[in-house]
Amino acid sequence: GALVYQYPRRTICKSGTSMRMECQAVGFQATSVAWYRQSPQKTFELIALSTVNSAIKYEQNFTQEKFPISHPNLSFSSMTVLNAYLEDRGLYLCGARQVSNERLFFGHGTKLSVL
Amino acid sequence: GDQVEQSPSALSLHEGTGSALRCNFTTTMRAVQWFQQNSRGSLINLFYLASGTKENGRLKSTFNSKESYSTLHIRDAQLEDSGTYFCAAERANNRIFFGDGTQLVVKP
Repeated sequence: GALVYQYPRRTICKSGTSMRMECQAVGFQATSVAWYRQSPQKTFELIALSTVNSAIKYEQNFTQEKFPISHPNLSFSSMTVLNAYLEDRGLYLCGARQVSNERLFFGHGTKLSVL
Repeated sequence: GDQVEQSPSALSLHEGTGSALRCNFTTTMRAVQWFQQNSRGSLINLFYLASGTKENGRLKSTFNSKESYSTLHIRDAQLEDSGTYFCAAERANNRIFFGDGTQLVVKP
């Protein structure tokens, strides 16, 4: 079956430092990867949508300079949170799928805490 | 979210009863997906619909793209159904937006 492994599951970083999270697709080709942040209040924000061989599209309020994403092949994507501060806390989730008319499969998420 | 209005925000059910969750969309969506988020934060796929109705056990979901809404019906609720349920709707440009969730508590 289709699975998405995301790691680390949780991380704590000091204010102003950076952390990287990775997603690995197993059992399917991750042509499209969407990165989300779920706030402590449980609301989801779409950060960016990455499609292999296309430019990564960031949503308003999110930039490549702050959340650089790599999607080098059909099984892997990573995102870094640069200069993390308190407002960056939350659960970061990657959702991947092979084609646009299929469901998104999500990893377990990376819970980011900032001290 | 702004494009997806989910209700209710919270729901309490006794075991064996049922109810419906609803998402209204402020713009045309081409598909909808429903998830259950468990206590560990994992999103569990429930349904993916481009149209019509699907049923899986005690759950049934409908997506009406013309009238811009989707519903998730739960019948014969069990304790393990407790959790937060999200709809996620997809626009034609492949971007997917989540509702704000329904926190379901099933009581004995």
